[in-house]
Amino acid sequence: GQNIDQPTEMTATEGAIVQINCTYQTSGFNGLFWYQQHAGEAPTFLSYNVLDGLEEKGRFSSFLSRSKGYSYLLLKELQMKDSASYLCAVRDQAGANNLFFGTGTRLTVIP
Amino acid sequence: GAVVSQHPSWVICKSGTSVKIECRSLDFQATTMFWYRQFPKQSLMLMATSNEGSKATYEQGVEKDKFLINHASLTLSTLTVTSAHPEDSSFYICSARTGANQPQHFGDGTRLSIL
Repeated sequence: GQNIDQPTEMTATEGAIVQINCTYQTSGFNGLFWYQQHAGEAPTFLSYNVLDGLEEKGRFSSFLSRSKGYSYLLLKELQMKDSASYLCAVRDQAGANNLFFGTGTRLTVIP
Repeated sequence: GAVVSQHPSWVICKSGTSVKIECRSLDFQATTMFWYRQFPKQSLMLMATSNEGSKATYEQGVEKDKFLINHASLTLSTLTVTSAHPEDSSFYICSARTGANQPQHFGDGTRLSIL
């Protein structure tokens, strides 16, 4: 089976930095994705890691350690509009390369 | 690029009716599309993988006869919820990818409410 864990909720202050962790145990691994989802909307793609290390994209960075089954999403210079759910998803190698999602982390940015 | 369009965005209908949801890849061809369901404050649950020109692959626990999937072309997949009941009320989201190792891009979702 697939097991993907994230904290349920986090709160951070506008302008600060926040790190959202994700651990996973899956039968196969072919990449880890981070998505942002605002309430009532579909997820939007943020970042993708398939090799160990840090991927940086503007204010967002994502890190992967395959040996530890661990990833984090780092958000810098937080803005109010960053309040959303952040979904960690793992793609397995079996079958059709499905994405398996964690329950998501609801981030609230406060002034 | 990589735009996925989903229609309708909101459906309210009576119990017992069937509802069809369309998912289109607007600027790319998608041999594989995915259908997810999301209940309030929960994560996305994969329902089925839609393969162009062949039968869909359903996840365990998803009724094939209730959730009919058709992927007739490289840009269109449809999900039909047959004889819908209130417990089928949910947010249904489709996704597609441009290639086997590319990220999935999601449609805007369809909020289905069965009265």
